Amino acid sequence: EAEVAQSPRYKITEKSQAVAFWCDPISGHATLYWYRQILGQGPELLVQFQDESVVDDSQLPKDRFSAERLKGVDSTLKIQPAELGDSAMYLCASSGMDGSSYNEQFFGPGTRLTVL
Amino acid sequence: GDSVTQMEGPVTLSEEAFLTINCTYTATGYPSLFWYVQYPGEGLQLLLKATKADDKGSNKGFEATYRKETTSFHLEKGSVQVSDSAVYFCARNQGGKLIFGQGTELSVKP
Repeated sequence: EAEVAQSPRYKITEKSQAVAFWCDPISGHATLYWYRQILGQGPELLVQFQDESVVDDSQLPKDRFSAERLKGVDSTLKIQPAELGDSAMYLCASSGMDGSSYNEQFFGPGTRLTVL
Repeated sequence: GDSVTQMEGPVTLSEEAFLTINCTYTATGYPSLFWYVQYPGEGLQLLLKATKADDKGSNKGFEATYRKETTSFHLEKGSVQVSDSAVYFCARNQGGKLIFGQGTELSVKP
């Protein structure tokens, strides 16, 4: 069964360092999402791509976060510099076609980031 | 803005007990509604969904009915198992992205 792949699964870093997370969506899925899940809370959208274009990055802290999906397939989320408050689970999801409300979002296993 | 509110956890039940997890939403229009489940250390899995009023989503013994009049989408299961222990998230769609509730942790004891 096709799955969303993410790496690394766990990342520990010191504040002010740079970190990067990678996501490979299900083959053929045009829409890719990055969510941040703080412990004890529900996920919140950081950025949504349709193919290689950003559809929604209104909640992305652009002073330190960046995301790209250059060829419209896999994606990288970067944080530079990392802050203590960035400790969270970073989830990637993908959906087929046009990302409409009827298309299920499939989630990867997530990357758990700990900033010391 | 649009939001999703779930009953607070943790919820602790004995095996074979009846489960209800309340979920209400605020919305303009009629969003699609979802329940996702997250097992320890894993990502989210779609449990069930409903796309219009009065739809009933069901899967693995879980059910939820889209109630427009009460803006609710409560999750129910008639007889829970230890393997159902997880965190459950209610969510609504907004322009393609998902808006999640805060999650309800369920612990089922044998």
